Amino acid sequence: GNSVTQMEGPVTLSEEAFLTINCTYTATGYPSLFWYVQYPGEGLQLLLKATKADDKGSNKGFEATYRKETTSFHLEKGSVQVSDSAVYFCALTLNNAGNMLTFGGGTRLMVKP
Amino acid sequence: DAGITQSPRHKVTETGTPVTLRCHQTENHRYMYWYRQDPGHGLRLIHYSYGVKDTDKGEVSDGYSVSRSKTEDFLLTLESATSSQTSVYFCAISATSGSYEQYFGPGTRLTVT
Repeated sequence: GNSVTQMEGPVTLSEEAFLTINCTYTATGYPSLFWYVQYPGEGLQLLLKATKADDKGSNKGFEATYRKETTSFHLEKGSVQVSDSAVYFCALTLNNAGNMLTFGGGTRLMVKP
Repeated sequence: DAGITQSPRHKVTETGTPVTLRCHQTENHRYMYWYRQDPGHGLRLIHYSYGVKDTDKGEVSDGYSVSRSKTEDFLLTLESATSSQTSVYFCAISATSGSYEQYFGPGTRLTVT
């Protein structure tokens, strides 16, 4: 079956630190990959996406590269801000019937001033 | 932002009572989904719909039913609410083309006492 594994949190960083949240996946086929972010009290928002190998998704200073050889999609940001404090979810879909998403368990990021 | 609304946003109900949550979209997307989010479990799919009157079960469908009589509305019903159904419920939508990402509503916090 398909699965997504994320590093467990919480991840606590100081403002302006470098962020990496690891995500690896198992899938039968060629998935599209996503990072979603959930701010406190809100729904999930799409942060970035990549639809094929070697694609780099980017948004709001966050980046992730679709690495087929290591089945990974790690999220990075060069300098985090307090406002980046949220829960981050890695997810995949196989673009087949239903566009079903498989989610990782989520990683809570806390950024301290 | 995708046009997705959920109602009610908050509800407290008693064990054994029926509850219906509504999801409304203005994007004319084919696919709609209901998830629940619980600490330690991430997001779990309850039911989804791939068209008007076309629905299917997800990972945690026991105790829930759904209906979709119009493209824009997807209803989730708890026939007889139990305390284990206390959760935050999210609706999501997805198109049939493009990169197949899902867009989420703001969520409904349901407490069953």
